Amino acid sequence: LAKTTQPISMDSYEGQEVNITCSHNNIATNDYITWYQQFPSQGPRFIIQGYKTKVTNEVASLFIPADRKSSTLSLPRVSLSDTAVYYCLVGDIGLTDSWGKLQFGAGTQVVVTP
Amino acid sequence: NAGVTQTPKFQVLKTGQSMTLQCAQDMNHNSMYWYRQDPGMGLRLIYYSASEGTTDKGEVPNGYNVSRLNKREFSLRLESAAPSQTSVYFCASSPGTGNGNQPQHFGDGTRLSIL
Repeated sequence: LAKTTQPISMDSYEGQEVNITCSHNNIATNDYITWYQQFPSQGPRFIIQGYKTKVTNEVASLFIPADRKSSTLSLPRVSLSDTAVYYCLVGDIGLTDSWGKLQFGAGTQVVVTP
Repeated sequence: NAGVTQTPKFQVLKTGQSMTLQCAQDMNHNSMYWYRQDPGMGLRLIYYSASEGTTDKGEVPNGYNVSRLNKREFSLRLESAAPSQTSVYFCASSPGTGNGNQPQHFGDGTRLSIL
């Protein structure tokens, strides 16, 4: 199972773009990269998922280089409500015996200030 | 639009008491999970159920039992609560169809304190 490393915390101002990089050097061929967001007193919420290149949705973009050993979650023009913990997960979510093995690390605490 | 519902939201127990945490999902998902989250830490998987009728241990199963009652419901039981089990417990579910897109949907947690 691929281990992930991400910064413990990041600070930003409203309106700026926030980029969180996750390292996963031993990612396997069938592994997907998934990001979750967690607000205080709530469960994590799925943000975005990708396998390679770039994925974009209404919330964020995910950039994955060709070697797939890292990925960057990009939050455009953050607001105060984007203050949360962001988790990067890597695993082969298409295999039944992997479903229970995806690990949430400590995540990255993003704090957005006015 | 309920998604994953956990009950109760808060509970205080005394050491040695037993309790069952309830979880239900209305998304027709096959897989369900129980996690615990301690202050300043990520989530750790306690047990999961890949499909109705099956359960498997996760990273921290000791002191817990689970029951996949039916496709909708997955309960977590503490037989003899210990202070070390004070935590926030999250239930989650995922489609589990093996199509490569398996985001988990989480409930809002049960905050459990054991004195």
